[in-house]
Order: sequence, then structure tokens, then C-alpha cells
Amino acid sequence: AQSVTQPDIHITVSEGASLELRCNYSYGATPYLFWYVQSPGQGLQLLLKYFSGDTLVQGIKGFEAEFKRSQSSFNLRKPSVHWSDAAEYFCGLLTGGGNKLTFGTGTQLKVEL
Amino acid sequence: EAGVAQSPRYKIIEKRQSVAFWCNPISGHATLYWYQQILGQGPKLLIQFQNNGVVDDSQLPKDRFSAERLKGVDSTLKIQPAKLEDSAVYLCASSSTKSGVGLGTYEQFFGPGTRLTVL
Repeated sequence: AQSVTQPDIHITVSEGASLELRCNYSYGATPYLFWYVQSPGQGLQLLLKYFSGDTLVQGIKGFEAEFKRSQSSFNLRKPSVHWSDAAEYFCGLLTGGGNKLTFGTGTQLKVEL
Repeated sequence: EAGVAQSPRYKIIEKRQSVAFWCNPISGHATLYWYQQILGQGPKLLIQFQNNGVVDDSQLPKDRFSAERLKGVDSTLKIQPAKLEDSAVYLCASSSTKSGVGLGTYEQFFGPGTRLTVL
């Protein structure tokens, strides 16, 4: 069965510092991967997605992610974090011909000023 | 373009009571999803509709949860009777791509959610 693991429950970074959020997946076929962000009291907003092609994908708000098949990973990065990036981040794996989106447990990001 | 609408935003009920949530997807989106997000966890799919038909309800606790999408547009999710462990945020999402027909974007657009507290 497919699964998504986000090893870090909480991460704290200083504003202006770089950020990397980890995501590992388990799936026997070609994965289709997403990163979503959820601000308090809000629904999920798509940051970026990977279906095929270039393994480095660019998203909104200055985020990027790199797909590494050999490591079954899809880590999210940002070179310089802003205070407004404080939120919860979810990695998602799409399977079942596009029917099923499985999420990780999320990483809560805190930004220190 | 209007986003996914959900109501109510918050609901507090006592255990064994009934509750219903409403969702209006983005206009033209054929696929509608209901997710349950328990505190500290990622969203879990409860049910997926394609137009007014159910595609996947394998994780819906059918003894107490029900959902419908009668006209293929808006949808309701009902819990009857509620249990303490049903306390969660219920998220509705919609997408425009038909399952199994290419990948398209397969992007799911999420509503703000309904926060349910069962006392």
C-alpha cells in the first residue's frame, strides 16, 4: 500500500534562513507528488506538483522541490524564509489512476523573527 | 473564479447528536472529495464523487457517516450519531479532471473546512 512520511513534526527557522522539509513516499509505480500549505483556519493550498520530466519543480511563493527516485523523496526547499511562511505543510502522493491522494502527517513550520 | 465553499465553518455538538456539512465545489468541477483531518494528522479521504456517483467510499464509516451529491454539484456529509472521535476538520475539495482520463492537472482545490467539536 502507498504511504507518505514526513519525519519532522515541527521545524523552527529564523527569518531569512533556508528551509528544507522532508518527504518520503512508498509506492510501487510512478509517483505523482504534491506539496500543500495550510495556514490556520484555512484549507490547503497547492504549492507545487511533480508528475514527470524535470525532477526540480518550481512552485508558488518561492518554493521548489526535488524528486529523487533513488531515495523515494520529494523534499521541499526555500532559500530564504519569510515570517508569513509559518504554516503547516503537507506532502501528498497521488495514486490509483489519479483517484486517491494520500497525505503525510504534516510539518508545522515556525519562523522566528 | 469562486473557490470551494463550505458551511458551517464551526460546529459544536454533543455526542450522539447529528450534524450535517455542506459543500459547493468550483463551478464545472466534476469530482468532489470529502476529507477528515484529525488534529496532528494529514487529511484522510472519506469519499470521492464523480458527478453524482461514488468513486471511492472505502474509508467512510458507513454505520454513522453518509454523503450525497444528488445533482452532481453541491454535496452534504452527515454524521449520525456523532462520537467523540469524530472531532476533526472536515475538508471538501474539488477537481476538474476525470479519473483515468490522462493526468491533466489533477489538482484538488480545497475549501476552508468545517471544524467539528463533539463534546
